[in-house]
Amino acid sequence: DIQMTQSPSSLSASIGDRVTITCRASQYISSYLNWYQQKAGRPPKVLIYGASRLQSGVPSGFSGSGSGTDFTLTISSLQAEDFAVYYCQQTYSYPWTFGQGTKVEVK
Amino acid sequence: QVQLVESGGGVVQPGRSLSLSCEASGFRFSTYMHWVRQSPGKGLEWVAVTSYDGSDKYYADSVKGRFTISRDKSKDKLHLQLNSLRVEDTGIYYCARVSIATGGRFFDYWGQGILVTVSA
Repeated sequence: DIQMTQSPSSLSASIGDRVTITCRASQYISSYLNWYQQKAGRPPKVLIYGASRLQSGVPSGFSGSGSGTDFTLTISSLQAEDFAVYYCQQTYSYPWTFGQGTKVEVK
Repeated sequence: QVQLVESGGGVVQPGRSLSLSCEASGFRFSTYMHWVRQSPGKGLEWVAVTSYDGSDKYYADSVKGRFTISRDKSKDKLHLQLNSLRVEDTGIYYCARVSIATGGRFFDYWGQGILVTVSA
């Protein structure tokens, strides 16, 4: 199985900060990497798919990069509604696996 | 609009069984459909997937041999049969639809989730 490792597990940031979350796959996954945002009591919501493609309706402040094994999610300027947990997911091969999550908290 | 509505959750003793359903509406039920779960306060765990006709199924190692995914095409329903339940199977179970787009495949719609609690 492909293991997905996110870092950091949590971070504290302020409104307007640039935030970067990384995700590393234990083996090659091409660009089959997605990023989800999850708020308390809600199902996850896709932000980025295919490593760098912004899902329709997602603010342009979110961006993704990387391929192969190393990936990054960037929030260019943190907004109040961005405080949440973020997960990466590989869909290169079954079983599809998620990272352990990164909680973005208010500083 | 696309909707996925899970049902069938509840409290069950270890070793017993439970059946979950996910009713789909608002789209052609001809996509791969998945179950994903989330233990209380924990991360997301992919559980199982089925193709449209059920010919292609995969399971997480943690549930293989105990859970069975199926779908009723005539009723646009996805099912998950949970047998030999363990305490560690406790969590919120989501059904999710896959979108295949240029450059990727991802879950674009999720149900609201249904809680399964395995406890003596």
